Amino acid sequence: EDQVTQSPEALRLQEGESSSLNCSYTVSGLRGLFWYRQDPGKGPEFLFTLYSAGEEKEKERLKATLTKKESFLHITAPKPEDSATYLCAVQAEGGSEKLVFGKGTKLTVNP
Amino acid sequence: DTGVSQNPRHKITKRGQNVTFRCDPISEHNRLYWYRQTLGQGPEFLTYFQNEAQLEKSRLLSDRFSAERPKGSFSTLEIQRTEQGDSAMYLCASSLAIRWNEQFFGPGTRLTVL
Repeated sequence: EDQVTQSPEALRLQEGESSSLNCSYTVSGLRGLFWYRQDPGKGPEFLFTLYSAGEEKEKERLKATLTKKESFLHITAPKPEDSATYLCAVQAEGGSEKLVFGKGTKLTVNP
Repeated sequence: DTGVSQNPRHKITKRGQNVTFRCDPISEHNRLYWYRQTLGQGPEFLTYFQNEAQLEKSRLLSDRFSAERPKGSFSTLEIQRTEQGDSAMYLCASSLAIRWNEQFFGPGTRLTVL
């Protein structure tokens, strides 16, 4: 069964203190790995899709990377407005359209 | 606002009652998905439609749950005989079939079953 594990569960950073979030996954065949941001009481906001090992994507202070077993979301010089829960999800090859999500990492950036 | 919209945003009901939620996808999107999210968990897939056809259903979708998308535009999710365990955020997402890799989520409907 496809599975996604995210770590840490929660991360507290000072403004400007760079760090990384981890997403480990097991899937029969990876069609895509997705990163979403979710603010309290709101739906997830799409950030990135990665497809194959070695791929990287960037958006402002965020950079996502992918290996055969895990993905990292690197946050460079974070600001308080980056505080949110970051969700990782995978979609498997084979015809299913469902995304399988991890539990997320709750990021707090203090000013 | 051209995003995915969901109504109502909040619903409180008593155990045993039926509830119905509505999702309006982004206008040109032909795929529509329903997910459920409980506190501290990631979203769990329930079902998805391409146009009006329901193409995939999760084992989580018990026979008390039914979803429709009659004209290939908006969708409804009905829960019959609600149970306390149904309390959750119900999320709707939409995408284009040719851009399956970008599912855009709505704000969700929070259901509380007393």
